[in-house]
Amino acid sequence: SQKIEQNSEALNIQEGKTATLTCNYTNYSPAYLQWYRQDPGRGPVFLLLIRENEKEKRKERLKVTFDTTLKQSLFHITASQPADSATYLCAPGAGNMLTFGGGTRLMVKP
Amino acid sequence: GAGVSQSPSNKVTEKGKDVELRCDPISGHTALYWYRQSLGQGLEFLIYFQGNSAPDKSGLPSDRFSAERTGGSVSTLTIQRTQQEDSAVYLCASSLGLIYSYNSPLHFGNGTRLTVT
Repeated sequence: SQKIEQNSEALNIQEGKTATLTCNYTNYSPAYLQWYRQDPGRGPVFLLLIRENEKEKRKERLKVTFDTTLKQSLFHITASQPADSATYLCAPGAGNMLTFGGGTRLMVKP
Repeated sequence: GAGVSQSPSNKVTEKGKDVELRCDPISGHTALYWYRQSLGQGLEFLIYFQGNSAPDKSGLPSDRFSAERTGGSVSTLTIQRTQQEDSAVYLCASSLGLIYSYNSPLHFGNGTRLTVT
């Protein structure tokens, strides 16, 4: 069955540094991959979408890569801020169906 | 504008009782999804509605779970004879239609936290 792996341990970084989150998937060939942000007690909020024929996508301080050979996506936040502290969910997709990973909690310390 | 609205935000029920969870999607969104999120876990897909097509029920964990979407808008998720393992946050999301498009990602509500005692 499909398996989406994100680092379950929290990632703690200092303000101003670049945060890098990893998403690995197995038994799956997604056509695209989305990243969402989730704050405590709230629903996930869409951040970025990248398709299988795209290597990299950027939006402001966010950058996503998608390596279909390694079956991996990396999510980067540059110049991180305490307000970036949240859980980030990776969601590979095919057709109209997403499969979500368990998320990685990011803590940015001032 | 208004986002996806879910009610109630919290529900405590006794084991064996039936519960109904409601989702009001964003107006004009043709796709509607239900997910379940247990503590510290990822989102588990339950059911998907797209326009007037038959729903994709492949994620429903048992026949105690059912959902309907009336008039292509409001959706209700019903859990019959609730069990303690049903305790989770139930999230609803809507989309303009094709979530692989840059313009129509999922928009989530804030969920209903269900506790079965």
